[in-house]
Amino acid sequence: QVQLEQSGAEVKKPGASVKVSCQASGYTFVNYYLHWVRQAPGQGPEWMGLINPSGGGTSYAQKLQGRVTMTRDTSTSTAYMEVSSLRYDDTAVYYCARDQGWRALDIWGQGTMVTVSS
Amino acid sequence: DIVLTQSPGTLSLSPGERATLSCRASQSVSSSYLAWYQQKPGQAPRLLIYAASSRATGIPDRFSGSGSGTDFTLTITRLEPEDFAVYYCQQYGSSLGTFGPGTKVDIK
Repeated sequence: QVQLEQSGAEVKKPGASVKVSCQASGYTFVNYYLHWVRQAPGQGPEWMGLINPSGGGTSYAQKLQGRVTMTRDTSTSTAYMEVSSLRYDDTAVYYCARDQGWRALDIWGQGTMVTVSS
Repeated sequence: DIVLTQSPGTLSLSPGERATLSCRASQSVSSSYLAWYQQKPGQAPRLLIYAASSRATGIPDRFSGSGSGTDFTLTITRLEPEDFAVYYCQQYGSSLGTFGPGTKVDIK
């Protein structure tokens, strides 16, 4: 079946970087854009950006410009999202999600908890 | 960035009642890129409506979306017990996406 499998929880210190992976299965990876969304504890979702797995083109939320990098490996149908210079308010569940078209997100990964703590 | 505002913040209703949720944008949004999601505790959001009024695969017809420009509405005609959750609108425009703050539908 169509699914997105994300890497496991991470605990990082302020100033460090974290890289989360998202492996797609059950569909043709390069045919669908992939978005990253995060959700801080008790808060609503926050759109982080998207990647076109076909050409690698990206678009990032202005708030995260310069700190976030989205990449992909088409040979393994895996997308990656890296956040650098981590701050305490980067603590959140990070999701990857497939864009079915019309920028609507129909398939979501299970989420990766990233905790920033000294 | 386009800012989305949702109202009310909380909607207290009984099963069988009708729910009307509002999503207002700070500037005009393309209807093609307006979606609604349902989220329950500990779960990822679930796509309900895309392109403002099209139901996603497997979504019951008691869910409907409408609107254009800056005003959009999600309607649940008869609330089922499993519909009590938080609902978010989301838009995409000018290569940027945003989510609204959400409306919680809880049991009265």
